Amino acid sequence: AQSVTQPDIHITVSEGASLELRCNYSYGATPYLFWYVQSPGQGLQLLLKYFSGDTLVQGIKGFEAEFKRSQSSFNLRKPSVHWSDAAEYFCAVGERFGNEKLTFGTGTRLTIIP
Amino acid sequence: SQTIHQWPATLVQPVGSPLSLECTVEGTSNPNLYWYRQAAGRGLQLLFYSIGIDQISSEVPQNLSASRPQDRQFILSSKKLLLSDSGFYLCAWSWQGYYGYTFGSGTRLTVV
Repeated sequence: AQSVTQPDIHITVSEGASLELRCNYSYGATPYLFWYVQSPGQGLQLLLKYFSGDTLVQGIKGFEAEFKRSQSSFNLRKPSVHWSDAAEYFCAVGERFGNEKLTFGTGTRLTIIP
Repeated sequence: SQTIHQWPATLVQPVGSPLSLECTVEGTSNPNLYWYRQAAGRGLQLLFYSIGIDQISSEVPQNLSASRPQDRQFILSSKKLLLSDSGFYLCAWSWQGYYGYTFGSGTRLTVV
């Protein structure tokens, strides 16, 4: 079965600084990979996804993520964060030939300081 | 366009009381439907998923059950709530063969 690890529970970044959120997965083949964002008390919104092809994926709100097969990683990046980016971020993995169920990491809470 | 509705937004229930949370999807047919529970510091746990009417798979044996009486309706139930059932419950849908989940806005359940 697949699994996802987000090693950082909480990250604090200054507004305007760059951001990288880490995600590592465990799966026997190349999985489908996702990043979701959750504002307090809300549902989750899809930021970006990787299925195949170019390993650098562009998403909404200026986010991007890079799939690195050799490191089993799918880290999320943003060159310059805004106060509105404060939220919880979840990485998720799906089986390539599975039943469309996603396994989520435990999330990383992002705090932005002025 | 497709929309997903989940209600109620918040719920406070005593231990031992029944539970019914409802989720409906509009603008599509034959979606995959999912119930997740989110507990603090534990990420999202898949509870149930359904690929069609009356076709429901349980991921975690527990005090909860799910039903799909109509194509775009997914209900999460319990006969007797436990304190450990407290959490944030999220419904999601996706097209079959596609992993792009769309989530509802969630229900905050507090069992007292």
